Amino acid sequence: DVQMTQSPSSLSASIGDRVTITCRASQDINNYLAWFQQKPGKAPKSLIYAASNLQSGVPSKFSGSRSGTDFTLTISSLQPEDFATYYCQQYNSYPPTFGQGTKVEI
Amino acid sequence: QVQLVQSGAEVKKPGASVRVSCKASGYSFTTQYIHWVRQAPGQGLEWMGVINPSSGSASHAHKLQGRVTIIRDTSTSTVYMELSSLRYEDTAVYFCAREAKGFDYWGQGTLVTVSS
Repeated sequence: DVQMTQSPSSLSASIGDRVTITCRASQDINNYLAWFQQKPGKAPKSLIYAASNLQSGVPSKFSGSRSGTDFTLTISSLQPEDFATYYCQQYNSYPPTFGQGTKVEI
Repeated sequence: QVQLVQSGAEVKKPGASVRVSCKASGYSFTTQYIHWVRQAPGQGLEWMGVINPSSGSASHAHKLQGRVTIIRDTSTSTVYMELSSLRYEDTAVYFCAREAKGFDYWGQGTLVTVSS
């Protein structure tokens, strides 16, 4: 199975901050990397697919990038509604695997 | 609009089976795979399996082999996930998700509690 190592596991940030979350794959996953946002008691919400493609309706303050097997989610200016847990996921090969999650707190 | 609506919460005893449904609407049901993902309390996301609604062919996570069954009913655009021989550690929220642009749409989740 492909291991997804996500960091940090949690971070504290302020309104307006630029936040970066990283995910490293244990092997080449091409661009088959997605990012999700999850709030307590809710289903994950897809933000980005194929490493850097924004889902419809997702604000442009979210962006994704790739460098080899390292992937990054950036939130350009943190707003109150962005405090949540974020997960990366590879879907290049079965089984699809998720990172451990990053909790973004105030 | 695309919607995945899941069945309601369940409480089951150890050793029993549970069946969770996921009804799709707003798109052509047979064109996109449906996955099942679960999340134990306070934990991360775990992939369970997938079905091709067109062919009915399904694949499962190795650790759940023999306990999970995923089927579909094309007449009602519904996918079912059945988990048997339930254990306390199967207590989790179970989600279905459509795969189109990644896992782009998710059901609302179904809490399954295993308790004696």
